Amino acid sequence: DTGVSQDPRHKITKRGQNVTFRCDPISEHNRLYWYRQTLGQGPEFLTYFQNEAQLEKSRLLSDRFSAERPKGSFSTLEIQRTEQGDSAMYLCASSGGGEDEQYFGPGTRLTVT
Amino acid sequence: LAKTTQPISMDSYEGQEVNITCSHNNIATNDYITWYQQFPSQGPRFIIQGYKTKVTNEVASLFIPADRKSSTLSLPRVSLSDTAVYYCLVHYGNKLVFGAGTILRVKS
Repeated sequence: DTGVSQDPRHKITKRGQNVTFRCDPISEHNRLYWYRQTLGQGPEFLTYFQNEAQLEKSRLLSDRFSAERPKGSFSTLEIQRTEQGDSAMYLCASSGGGEDEQYFGPGTRLTVT
Repeated sequence: LAKTTQPISMDSYEGQEVNITCSHNNIATNDYITWYQQFPSQGPRFIIQGYKTKVTNEVASLFIPADRKSSTLSLPRVSLSDTAVYYCLVHYGNKLVFGAGTILRVKS
């Protein structure tokens, strides 16, 4: 297994457009996490899934953000009507569950112009 | 309010031991502390995780005092390649809170 992968690695979009990111976790991992990271800050938790169930959502995840994990494998994070404040690195991580260490992907860097 | 606080930056020289402390005043009895390392343009990488007292692995040690309101990551004999940002992560129940990160600069 090659680890957690994310696609695309970079995305430039215009304000008001919708974007969707994909995360493929390590295959045997049942937990999947999404974070957002801005320059000079630590990752901010957005949401996580246990298999296909979304168990926790941060207040940061406004109505414009939605995440899915159909069939408990890959996950998508969609941002509707993007704003300049959405510009950040979006990180995905997976783990075997509970307090297990998280393995992070390389991230998707979003730039909203 | 769950908060995780760590120093902004630290400087060290090759071969020295480096200790980075993280404060987490509102940690609960069953919450874990995890430390990650991050290089530019990469996702964070796991270093060590602990719950109480002391944990040691091949790259670091983690010290957690009895009150668990802080934890210290110890890196023995750092090298230039250890220059990176180090984050503590506290699992406040289902909420995961990263610190803002400590920039470690190792000089020769």
